[in-house]
Amino acid sequence: QSALTQPASVSGSPGQSITISCTGTSSDVGTYNLVSWYQQHPGKAPKLMVYEVSKRPSGVSNRFSGSKSGNTASLTISGLQAEDEADYYCCSHAGARTPVVFGGGTELTVL
Amino acid sequence: QLQLQESGPGLVKPSETLSLTCPVSGGSISTSSYYWGWIRQPPGKGLEWIGSIYYSGSTYYNPSLKSRVTISVDTSKNQFSLKLTSVTAADTAVYYCARHILGYCSSTSCTSNYFDYWGQGTLVTVSS
Repeated sequence: QSALTQPASVSGSPGQSITISCTGTSSDVGTYNLVSWYQQHPGKAPKLMVYEVSKRPSGVSNRFSGSKSGNTASLTISGLQAEDEADYYCCSHAGARTPVVFGGGTELTVL
Repeated sequence: QLQLQESGPGLVKPSETLSLTCPVSGGSISTSSYYWGWIRQPPGKGLEWIGSIYYSGSTYYNPSLKSRVTISVDTSKNQFSLKLTSVTAADTAVYYCARHILGYCSSTSCTSNYFDYWGQGTLVTVSS
């Protein structure tokens, strides 16, 4: 069982916006603004899309945005495109004893 | 451009030790502020962090794997390595190495946490 809870799947039509949630606890997401999000296409390595809740690495489209409220972080993808279809994973810091916890992943389908 | 590439046996027998190496090119593994991590993904499942190491040798491990994991660094070869002992079929997975940004870590927490460069991954199967 993953430490962070994500929906197994979400879907949306091209052009629409979708949001993927990532629910943790007061020991991880709720305490640290250190949530990151990764996109993974089949057979490929994960790619960093958002870090420190809402920062985007250079080269990542501004259609991807992150936020956090309480123990839940969210990734929003606006203007959905076919190429966004992939698995998405959230990750949080949980203190020095467990620096890294991942969510179980969400499969995004672009209809 | 930083590049990481996992290498090692693709097949390991049960009860034996899984050993992987991750040479780093395009940058120095001894650069301050960067940790170097291992993450795995069983077939059809999610990501699991294994552990991370600083060039000085300081390590963080996933508590669930800590008793079986050793991560080491060889700055002269610009690479870091993973050893996982007493493997079972449950350790079958794609293993990734990655650069891990942890920032400054005190005894209670770190100031950052994300993986920005990843290797392509290597499938390790545990089977007799």
